[in-house]
Amino acid sequence: EVHLVDSGGGLVQPGGSLRLSCAASGFIFSDHYMDWVRQAPGKGLEWVGRIRNKANSYTTEYAASVKGRFTISRDDSKNSLYLQMNSLTTEDTAVYYCARIALIRSPITGRYFDYWGQGTLVTVSS
Amino acid sequence: EIVLTQSPGTLSLSPGESATLSCTASQSVSNSNLAWFQQRPDQAPRLLIYGASSRATGIPDRFSGGGSGTDFSLTISRLEPEDFAVYSCQQYGTSPYTFGQGSKLEIK
Repeated sequence: EVHLVDSGGGLVQPGGSLRLSCAASGFIFSDHYMDWVRQAPGKGLEWVGRIRNKANSYTTEYAASVKGRFTISRDDSKNSLYLQMNSLTTEDTAVYYCARIALIRSPITGRYFDYWGQGTLVTVSS
Repeated sequence: EIVLTQSPGTLSLSPGESATLSCTASQSVSNSNLAWFQQRPDQAPRLLIYGASSRATGIPDRFSGGGSGTDFSLTISRLEPEDFAVYSCQQYGTSPYTFGQGSKLEIK
């Protein structure tokens, strides 16, 4: 059974840093792209960024709102995904979810977000 | 960036009725790479539909998706109490992978 467990959230002051983790089990972690998605209180979902697999050189991409401040990394030996968040602002307050990206089977099905962690709350406040 | 607009914002129905939710994209969604998610309070999103019309593993056939290009829909037939939740569409064909603002399905 696929299982993703998000952790590392908490209260941080504006300008501070935080590192989130996502522990994966129940599937071959190294095969999959992995993403982070966030949801501010009472708001919709917002894609944060992606890290591809080794076959695609672990390349990353980010939403404009976090580019240059957030860094996604992974450790396939530990089946773990990370989100390093720097220069945090109150606008970054949200529940952060890791999401597994399905292996591509056809252009029509594409790389959809098939499993999600339970989320971890990040609160940026003084 | 592809903007997804969902309607209605809130839909009030009774168990046993059918619901149809809409998702309109600001530009054509690549390869119909459109997904629908269900989110209950304080829970993570749950994938319902991908590729505009394919049901995810374990999703009952009461849930069906359709559409192409810029107009997509999610239909839920024979509503059950556990179906009352927030539903979000997402396009995952073009980065940044954007979500709609969500439609709330509430019990009438």
